[in-house]
Amino acid sequence: EVQLVESGGGLVQPGGSLRLSCGASGFTFSSHAMTWVRQAPGKGLEWVSIISGSGISTYYPDSVKGRFSISRDNSKSTVYLHMNSLRAEDTAIYYCAKIQENWNDVDYWGQGTLVTVSS
Amino acid sequence: QSALTQPASVSGSPGQSITISCAGSSSDVGSYNLVSWYQHHPGKAPKLIICEDTKRPSGVSNRFSGSKSGNTASLTISGLQPEDEADYYCCSYAGSSAFPYVLGTGTKVTVL
Repeated sequence: EVQLVESGGGLVQPGGSLRLSCGASGFTFSSHAMTWVRQAPGKGLEWVSIISGSGISTYYPDSVKGRFSISRDNSKSTVYLHMNSLRAEDTAIYYCAKIQENWNDVDYWGQGTLVTVSS
Repeated sequence: QSALTQPASVSGSPGQSITISCAGSSSDVGSYNLVSWYQHHPGKAPKLIICEDTKRPSGVSNRFSGSKSGNTASLTISGLQPEDEADYYCCSYAGSSAFPYVLGTGTKVTVL
């Protein structure tokens, strides 16, 4: 059974930093790209980043480019999201999700972790 | 890369059928047979219910079906049930350029 468990969320001041973690199990972690997706209060889902199975390729939308960084440790089956220069508009539930090996679909999601940026 | 356009809300009575549209472009929906649909109950993990335009993953009710015509994909829920009340998002592969995927704006389904 595929399981994705996010952690590391919490309250952080504007301009601060936070690192989210996502522990994975139930599949061959290194064979799959992983992604972070967020949902701000009252808003829809928004891509945050993608990392390939090897970790060589990463993707970011303009909204977080230069502030957020995704990484992974395949020996620990864990993917990370490093968030810097946080803004109020980064307040959201952050979901970790698994991409199919052929990149066709995002097929499993975690329950999410809440990040609140406020003074 | 613009978000795929979905209606903000769709409603129906129990037992009815509803259809949610997902309008994209020739760069995403129209170029690949890779539209997915996700069901999202607030506070829970989103769930994949349709992949590759029309396929249902194992365990997904056959009341959910996907279709596509040109640059617009659609999700139909037949025999609407109270537990279908949720948010629904489409997603399309968009090539390996700036960002590989594009999400829809989301549709709130209400069961009257």
